[in-house]
Amino acid sequence: GENVEQHPSTLSVQEGDSAVIKCTYSDSASNYFPWYKQELGKRPQLIIDIRSNVGEKKDQRIAVTLNKTAKHFSLHITETQPEDSAVYFCAAKQAGTALIFGKGTTLSVSS
Amino acid sequence: GAVVSQHPSWVICKSGTSVKIECRSLDFQATTMFWYRQFPKQSLMLMATSNEGSKATYEQGVEKDKFLINHASLTLSTLTVTSAHPEDSSFYICSARDPPGQGANSNQPQHFGDGTRLSIL
Repeated sequence: GENVEQHPSTLSVQEGDSAVIKCTYSDSASNYFPWYKQELGKRPQLIIDIRSNVGEKKDQRIAVTLNKTAKHFSLHITETQPEDSAVYFCAAKQAGTALIFGKGTTLSVSS
Repeated sequence: GAVVSQHPSWVICKSGTSVKIECRSLDFQATTMFWYRQFPKQSLMLMATSNEGSKATYEQGVEKDKFLINHASLTLSTLTVTSAHPEDSSFYICSARDPPGQGANSNQPQHFGDGTRLSIL
């Protein structure tokens, strides 16, 4: 089955800096890669996703890149703000299966 | 957008009791729903895949006789934690997938419920 590795587990940045979180996946059949932001005690919130037919996707301060050959994808947050502080999860799946999550990254943005 | 409702949001009960958690898709039909468990400061771990009208598929290490899943309609799946013990205390969260779309790129996003925090005393 799919296995998703996520790094780093914690990330501290200054407000305004960029943050990058990286994930690798094992199943070459996976073709959907979402990123979720989860605040304490709440549901994961989808912040951006990418499908395997696209190499990069951007939404304002957030971007995701995908390298299918290397089986890794990354989340990039620019101009970080204190409200970006949360736990971020990457995930991977193929059609018809469940999302498999990475272990999460706790992002702390200090002002 | 697609909405998944999960109930209850918080349960505290004594060891040995059974607890039922409901997951409903409010504005779409979900032939497949997924149940996850999340321990504090850990990731979401898939417990089982619930398919409408058929038996659930459990992940390795998840006891099917302890975590009973029923998916009797296209909008409702239930998870019953039987004879719950303190080690079952966790955040349980369900998700539902839109029906498959058309074409090769039919990988649909999963929509999550708000989760149920279960505390067993």
